[in-house]
Amino acid sequence: AQRVTQPEKLLSVFKGAPVELKCNYSYSGSPELFWYVQYSRQRLQLLLRHISRESIKGFTADLNKGETSFHLKKPFAQEEDSAMYYCALNGAGNTPLVFGKGTRLSVIA
Amino acid sequence: DTGVSQDPRHKITKRGQNVTFRCDPISEHNRLYWYRQTLGQGPEFLTYFQNEAQLEKSRLLSDRFSAERPKGSFSTLEIQRTEQGDSAMYLCASSLGSISQETQYFGPGTRLLVL
Repeated sequence: AQRVTQPEKLLSVFKGAPVELKCNYSYSGSPELFWYVQYSRQRLQLLLRHISRESIKGFTADLNKGETSFHLKKPFAQEEDSAMYYCALNGAGNTPLVFGKGTRLSVIA
Repeated sequence: DTGVSQDPRHKITKRGQNVTFRCDPISEHNRLYWYRQTLGQGPEFLTYFQNEAQLEKSRLLSDRFSAERPKGSFSTLEIQRTEQGDSAMYLCASSLGSISQETQYFGPGTRLLVL
């Protein structure tokens, strides 16, 4: 079964501090992993996907198949990063996304 | 095109009534997805279409739920004989093609409250 676990419901950090949002997945094949973000009063939107290996808004995420993790990281948090972050998995290429429960990031000035 | 749109944005209904929600995807997108999101949870997949074909509907929560996409453009999600447990945010998303790592673009959602 495909499953995504985000162990933290809420993460509070000070502005300028490093951020790591944890995501672990369960899938027997080769997963496709995504991070989606939802800012206050906005719709859910894609932040980044593992195959692109890109940095968006200073965030990066590396797929670790050994640890079945896809943690989201940013070296210096900004107040505008405060949002709800969802990790999602696409297990078989053409199947819909399986989402984690989300982590609310609060960046304190 | 301003993205995926959903109508209505909010719906309050009494238990036992039927409700229908509409989703208009991004115009060139051939895939359309429906998700449900309850408080404290991530979006939960319900069903999806490629053009007008409904490719997966086993995740619909009960036989009270049905979805259509008659001409491969907009889609409707209907809930018959609503129950209080149906109260949730219903999200629609669309994407282009069967490409791996396709990006799903989400609508603003329809928030349903069943009294």
